[in-house]
Parts: sequence; C-alpha cells; structure tokens
Amino acid sequence: DAKTTQPNSMESNEEEPVHLPCNHSTISGTDYIHWYRQLPSQGPEYVIHGLTSNVNNRMASLAIAEDRKSSTLILHRATLRDAAVYYCILRENRDDKIIFGKGTRLHILP
Amino acid sequence: EPEVTQTPSHQVTQMGQEVILRCVPISNHLYFYWYRQILGQKVEFLVSFYNNEISEKSEIFDDQFSVERPDGSNFTLKIRSTKLEDSAMYFCASSEQGQGFSPLHFGNGTRLTVT
Repeated sequence: DAKTTQPNSMESNEEEPVHLPCNHSTISGTDYIHWYRQLPSQGPEYVIHGLTSNVNNRMASLAIAEDRKSSTLILHRATLRDAAVYYCILRENRDDKIIFGKGTRLHILP
Repeated sequence: EPEVTQTPSHQVTQMGQEVILRCVPISNHLYFYWYRQILGQKVEFLVSFYNNEISEKSEIFDDQFSVERPDGSNFTLKIRSTKLEDSAMYFCASSEQGQGFSPLHFGNGTRLTVT
C-alpha cells in the first residue's frame, strides 16, 4: 500500500483556520487522496477526497500539490468539535479497501 | 443523510462464546467492510465484501471470523469462539463503488468486551 506521512499532533486556536499537512511521495497516478477523521468514541468519518485538483465541500478544503506528492486539509474555521484524529489515506483505484495510519491528533484550544 | 448503523453498541461476552455483530450499510452501496480498533491503537482492516463474497481479508481475519449478508440490508460479522484479545471496537463501513473515487462511510461501532 502507498504510504502517507503526517505529523503526530497539531494544535490550533478555536475560530482560526487549520492546515493539516500530508506527504505522499510514492503516490501513483491513479491513487485518490482521501481524508477521514475520528472524533472521540466515534467511528471514522469521511471528510473529503481528490485526485489532482483542489476540492471544497461543506466540511473542508483539500489542496493538492501540483506534483501530487503532498496535500493539505484545510479547516477554514476550527471549532472545538473539530478536535479529532485526522487521517490522510491513499485509496488505490484497483484496491477497494483503505488502510489507516496513525493520523494527526488535532487539539483545538478555546 | 443516509448512514451506516451498527448494533449492538456494546456487547459483553465470555471467552469461548460466539458473537454476531450486525450492520446495516447504506442502501445503494455495493461494497462492505469490517474494521476493528483495539483501545489506543490504529484502525485495522479486517475484511471487504462484494457481490456476496469476500474480496479481501487481512491476517487478522482467521478461521474464527466469518461475514455474511443474510438479506438485502444486513451485513454481519461472526466470531465463533471469542478470545480476550478480540476485545475492541468493531466498525462496519460501506462504499458505493470499490474504486478510489468512492469514499467509505463508517458506522459508530460496536464495543466488544470479552471477559
């Protein structure tokens, strides 16, 4: 499975934007970049995904580097509810499962 | 918004007993998954299921585990003879397609405690 590298933890202030980085230097041309998050005591939750272009949805934005070797999940205005573990995962087009790494634990400071 | 539902939310069982964990995936989804998460550890893939058969399974998914889609809506995980180390959160997920563009949607899990 292609691997991603994320910081173990990050902190941000409430109501500030948050940029969560992810490196995936071995990404292949058909791998999609997925982001999930896991709030305390809950199951993983899909956040956003993309292939080459930047993506926006109601939860977040995904900025993908031109060479696709890195990406950034952007939470535009963090709330306390956004405190979670965020997982950056490559989903291979020929492989139906996804594999979780350790993710980034995001702490939001009030 | 449609969601994956899992029952029960918490199951306590004695070592050696059989347990069945139940999931109702999102109705138009075709791919189904089980994952588990031991307390304080990563979310681990167990098995994927498509077209009424297992498409892939991990080393964790040994002969003690089985999955079934007994009708058009339920997807179950059975553990035949539970061990203490099976204590974990078990998450069911479903996906509309099996390709990279199709996200997985997870339930909130069943906490299995084996005593």
